[in-house]
Amino acid sequence: AQTVTQSQPEMSVQEAETVTLSCTYDTSESDYYLFWYKQPPSRQMILVIRQEAYKQQNATENRFSVNFQKAAKSFSLKISDSQLGDAAMYFCAYRNSTQGGSEKLVFGKGTKLTVNP
Amino acid sequence: EAGVTQFPSHSVIEKGQTVTLRCDPISGHDNLYWYRRVMGKEIKFLLHFVKESKQDESGMPNNRFLAERTGGTYSTLKVQPAELEDSGVYFCASSQGPRPFVTYEQYFGPGTRLTVT
Repeated sequence: AQTVTQSQPEMSVQEAETVTLSCTYDTSESDYYLFWYKQPPSRQMILVIRQEAYKQQNATENRFSVNFQKAAKSFSLKISDSQLGDAAMYFCAYRNSTQGGSEKLVFGKGTKLTVNP
Repeated sequence: EAGVTQFPSHSVIEKGQTVTLRCDPISGHDNLYWYRRVMGKEIKFLLHFVKESKQDESGMPNNRFLAERTGGTYSTLKVQPAELEDSGVYFCASSQGPRPFVTYEQYFGPGTRLTVT
């Protein structure tokens, strides 16, 4: 079974600085998807960024980028120019790419990010 | 367009009682998922509907949990009888589909916080 590990329960960053959240995963599959979700306090979880395993290029979305190391099974999230609104719980998630099968997400325990003004 | 909604937002019940959680997916989304986060642990998959059919129910913990999706629209998750270990936040998510070779984003609801005393 696939597993996702987030080794940092909490992180903090100064406003305008850069922070990197770690995520490792374990799978025997060669094709899959990886995601970072963000859940602000008392708000819904939203997708921040996704990465297809077959793509070598790291995904980027504005100030958010990933460092995808397939051989190392590592998928870290970098937030540049951190803003107060980035404060949230961040979840790393995995999904098999098997078509027609289960599309369930496998989540890590989450990293609580605090942004200090 | 309305997002995924869940009702109630919070429920407190006594051990042995019954609780029914409801999820209304985004209109037109065929896929509906239930997840649960027990305090301090990972968000865990419970089950996946495609329209009114159960595609994957491998995450359902035991037969005290019953999920239904009438007419392929809203879904209910009933816990009967509730136990202390059922406490946690229950998330619902929905996504479009299916279409071959397309991975759709799962949109999450705000969750229902269930407390069993």
